[in-house]
Amino acid sequence: DGGITQSPKYLFRKEGQNVTLSCEQNLNHDAMYWYRQDPGQGLRLIYYSQIVNDFQKGDIAEGYSVSREKKESFPLTVTSAQKNPTAFYLCASSISGNYNEQFFGPGTRLTVL
Amino acid sequence: GENVEQHPSTLSVQEGDSAVIKCTYSDSASNYFPWYKQELGKRPQLIIDIRSNVGEKKDQRIAVTLNKTAKHFSLHITETQPEDSAVYFCAASQRYGNKLVFGAGTILRVKS
Repeated sequence: DGGITQSPKYLFRKEGQNVTLSCEQNLNHDAMYWYRQDPGQGLRLIYYSQIVNDFQKGDIAEGYSVSREKKESFPLTVTSAQKNPTAFYLCASSISGNYNEQFFGPGTRLTVL
Repeated sequence: GENVEQHPSTLSVQEGDSAVIKCTYSDSASNYFPWYKQELGKRPQLIIDIRSNVGEKKDQRIAVTLNKTAKHFSLHITETQPEDSAVYFCAASQRYGNKLVFGAGTILRVKS
């Protein structure tokens, strides 16, 4: 399970505030991903990046933003435009290309107060 | 885009029995189908995967079957044990890139 970390484990935010979730990996993976997990809905892709300085929107990108300035880091910002941000957020990484296992971080649980 | 449906949403079995979870996908271009297991409070982990050029794959008590014509694939767990209790997710991925679309998950409870 080691190699990909997320912080913080729990995060509380007031409505109207932006918040940034951290994701770091030392697996030398080119590709990184952000998922949102809600009860009964599985994992939904927010953003993904196949290489440094490049990223693409996933299925539910509205209200989120990312950056990929370093290979090992892929932070996710949840903006005030996200209507229902309370959820469990999972970061993952993999070797680029097809058929490659995605390794997940431990997750961050975000609660909007 | 791809859509993956997973059934059942919950499954209870007696220890030692078999468990089967089924998924269907919509995009015939999908060619990679992994299964992830998420224990309570832990991160998802890959347990088995299959590529579209293979019909079946086994790993000890776990097997996955793929029917490309019908666009469905299934996870089979034999001789279930209490430690198999978890949420299981199927996923599908297309040829270019490693973007996964996940099913909604199945909560498996193994009763001892």
